[in-house]
Amino acid sequence: GQQLNQSPQSMFIQEGEDVSMNCTSSSIFNTWLWYKQEPGEGPVLLIALYKAGELTSNGRLTAQFGITRKDSFLNISASIPSDVGIYFCAGHVWRALTFGSGTRLQVQP
Amino acid sequence: SAVISQKPSRDICQRGTSLTIQCQVDSQVTMMFWYRQQPGQSLTLIATANQGSEATYESGFVIDKFPISRPNLTFSTLTVSNMSPEDSSIYLCSVGGGVVSEQYFGPGTRLTVT
Repeated sequence: GQQLNQSPQSMFIQEGEDVSMNCTSSSIFNTWLWYKQEPGEGPVLLIALYKAGELTSNGRLTAQFGITRKDSFLNISASIPSDVGIYFCAGHVWRALTFGSGTRLQVQP
Repeated sequence: SAVISQKPSRDICQRGTSLTIQCQVDSQVTMMFWYRQQPGQSLTLIATANQGSEATYESGFVIDKFPISRPNLTFSTLTVSNMSPEDSSIYLCSVGGGVVSEQYFGPGTRLTVT
């Protein structure tokens, strides 16, 4: 089946730093989604990308749909303590979402 | 986006028993899904809950172990049958948004099997 390779697995950064994480796949996806999950909660949709090359922002978050349709990245600028959580990429083709393994982000105030 | 609730929020169950998890949405939705998230892991799709017909299961998941009901467009249940400790996971329901590829998740049910 399809697999998504998400990196890095974890990050420990200082408040105010920028963060970058990415997902790659051997398969093409029609849509890329980025979610954040906090302890004890379900994933929350942050950004959805629909076209190859698309660059979309949501506040301090920016994500891009790779030209090859096999990758996507998420940037967080000027991190704050509430950015702590696990970030998942997800690719969509046909009806199912395939999730990456997650990037655990910790922010030192 | 739709407001999604799940019951129970958590449970501790004995090996060999079954647990039914409920998912309620505050508006009618076409697509409902059930996922499993094992401890420290990512999300894996169990099945798509189809209204008025049998659920569509992903590879590795079978109806006898994870029977699903979808009686209407706002409600679904997932049963975890004949549980073993390996079934200890978070079970999440999700719904398809206005764009089918977007999915919104409930808070999850944290299941521990002893």
